[in-house]
Amino acid sequence: DAMVIQNPRYQVTQFGKPVTLSCSQTLNHNVMYWYQQKSSQAPKLLFHYYDKDFNNEADTPDNFQSRRPNTSFCFLDIRSPGLGDAAMYLCATSRVGDEQYFGPGTRLTVT
Amino acid sequence: AQSVTQLGSHVSVSEGALVLLRCNYSSSVPPYLFWYVQYPNQGLQLLLKYTTGATLVKGINGFEAEFKKSETSFHLTKPSAHMSDAAEYFCADSGSARQLTFGSGTQLTVLP
Repeated sequence: DAMVIQNPRYQVTQFGKPVTLSCSQTLNHNVMYWYQQKSSQAPKLLFHYYDKDFNNEADTPDNFQSRRPNTSFCFLDIRSPGLGDAAMYLCATSRVGDEQYFGPGTRLTVT
Repeated sequence: AQSVTQLGSHVSVSEGALVLLRCNYSSSVPPYLFWYVQYPNQGLQLLLKYTTGATLVKGINGFEAEFKKSETSFHLTKPSAHMSDAAEYFCADSGSARQLTFGSGTQLTVLP
């Protein structure tokens, strides 16, 4: 089945230790998104790619970076995680203007 | 700028009762409206969407929603709640943009 895959599902990192979350898709969608979702809140868009065109939300901290080496893969790098970065991170994909398909998420714990 | 308001952060219904989750949108362009469901520790799953055409939209798991332009609403309903419907529900609007504007979510509890 075509899908959005996120690895790992659960990630524990130490305060200040860089961490990378990965997302892959078999839908061949040209748009990929990264969201941060904290408990009992709606997902908050961090950035998105339209093909290789990177779009950063104005309030996304500099601590968060992203890479999209090809159509299928996208990575979220957190350079120096703080306790406030503990959250669920959701990857989504879409065709332009169409509904978004979400992966299962990676729950990040910062100790 | 568009915005989405979900009335009621928590809704409880008895099993077998009607489910009604409310969503109002505010958009300067024709809305593209979605309802997503999220189970604990999972991603969001699309229930249904409205783009153009028929105002009554049927989705998965017996859910449906009616687009009412005059009321700027897109409420989600299900005639008979099941225990498995307990989850968080998000209404969203993408308008003409590539991005989703989410409501704040409604936690649905189904009582036995």
